[in-house]
Amino acid sequence: EDKVVQSPLSLVVHEGDTVTLNCSYEVTNFRSLLWYKQEKKAPTFLFMLTSSGIEKKSGRLSSILDKKELFSILNITATQTGDSAVYLCALAGNMLTFGGGTRLMVKP
Amino acid sequence: DSGVTQTPKHLITATGQRVTLRCSPRSGDLSVYWYQQSLDQGLQFLIQYYNGEERAKGNILERFSAQQFPDLHSELNLSSLELGDSALYFCASSVDPLAGALDTQYFGPGTRLTVL
Repeated sequence: EDKVVQSPLSLVVHEGDTVTLNCSYEVTNFRSLLWYKQEKKAPTFLFMLTSSGIEKKSGRLSSILDKKELFSILNITATQTGDSAVYLCALAGNMLTFGGGTRLMVKP
Repeated sequence: DSGVTQTPKHLITATGQRVTLRCSPRSGDLSVYWYQQSLDQGLQFLIQYYNGEERAKGNILERFSAQQFPDLHSELNLSSLELGDSALYFCASSVDPLAGALDTQYFGPGTRLTVL
């Protein structure tokens, strides 16, 4: 059975801090790894990673995948209160399997 | 706004009843996915349709069924409802999950179902 584990479960930081969110997985038939941000409503797409070792960046967010060690990290630098959300990692194998998420709270 | 629409936004019903949730995918997307998100279970994949045909099944109960119509909108039918079915139900769409690495799914706003 495909498994996706995210850590930490929750995180509280202050504005300006840098955070690293982790996603480890055991998935057969791996196609890609996706990161989503979920605030009060639907998850919104952040990144899709298919190749190992290639960093994807979007503003203050970046992510990288290690297919050998079966994990990915999502970095957020210079955090802002608007970054407060649940961050979900999902693996596209035979189906899309989501991790339990990391709840990030950024305090002013 | 992802371009995926879901109706209704909220639904309150009683145990034993049957409800239908509706989803319209983004223009051009052929694949529709249904998810259930409850507080204790996280986001769970239920079922996927591609161009009218069932493509993959996840943790979908036998009391639940879905279909995708020729105009590509999809409906999720939940019957013999139980208290534990109370959750947020999301629909997502993508172009074609097998056409290259096009696994990006765009989520609708969700339908919040409350079973009393």
